[in-house]
Amino acid sequence: GQQVMQIPQYQHVQEGEDFTTYCNSSTTLSNIQWYKQRPGGHPVFLIQLVKSGEVKKQKRLTFQFGEAKKNSSLHITATQTTDVGTYFCAGAAGGTSYGKLTFGQGTILTVHP
Amino acid sequence: NAGVTQTPKFQVLKTGQSMTLQCAQDMNHNSMYWYRQDPGMGLRLIYYSASEGTTDKGEVPNGYNVSRLNKREFSLRLESAAPSQTSVYFCASSEEGRWGQGAYEQYFGPGTRLTVT
Repeated sequence: GQQVMQIPQYQHVQEGEDFTTYCNSSTTLSNIQWYKQRPGGHPVFLIQLVKSGEVKKQKRLTFQFGEAKKNSSLHITATQTTDVGTYFCAGAAGGTSYGKLTFGQGTILTVHP
Repeated sequence: NAGVTQTPKFQVLKTGQSMTLQCAQDMNHNSMYWYRQDPGMGLRLIYYSASEGTTDKGEVPNGYNVSRLNKREFSLRLESAAPSQTSVYFCASSEEGRWGQGAYEQYFGPGTRLTVT
């Protein structure tokens, strides 16, 4: 079945440093979504990418979808303590089902003040 | 609007006991999902319901059953709990996806933290 791998599993940064997490799918995706989960909380939708090579920005967050629609990345510039949490990518394989998502394992981000 | 609600928030079961996790959404979504979250494993789909009246197995369905009671409610039942089912369970809902058209954003409930001893 479809697999979505996400690296790294953990990332510790000093406040102000940049952070990147990478997501790779074993199959071509129809679209990819990113979620953030604060400690003790539930996943919250951040963004969706649909087009090959698409780049979207939300303030200090930059999301990219690869040309082959099999990989994606999330980059945070100048991290803040409010960025702490787990970031998940989730891919939808277009030809297989009604909108199921396969989640990556997540990257746990710790920001030291 | 409450969004997606789940009950209970916490539960401790003994091996072999049964229980039902309840989920309800007030966003008029057709699709609902049950996930489990374990450390280092991400979110794994247990069952989903693309629309009212349909349910399908996800990645890890063994040991679970579901009921789509109506458009709002989707319950998850553990018939005979095992320690391997200790996890955090999330319910989610979304607009109904169209075949081959990817997926819509999912809205998650607050989760149920289940411990089986």
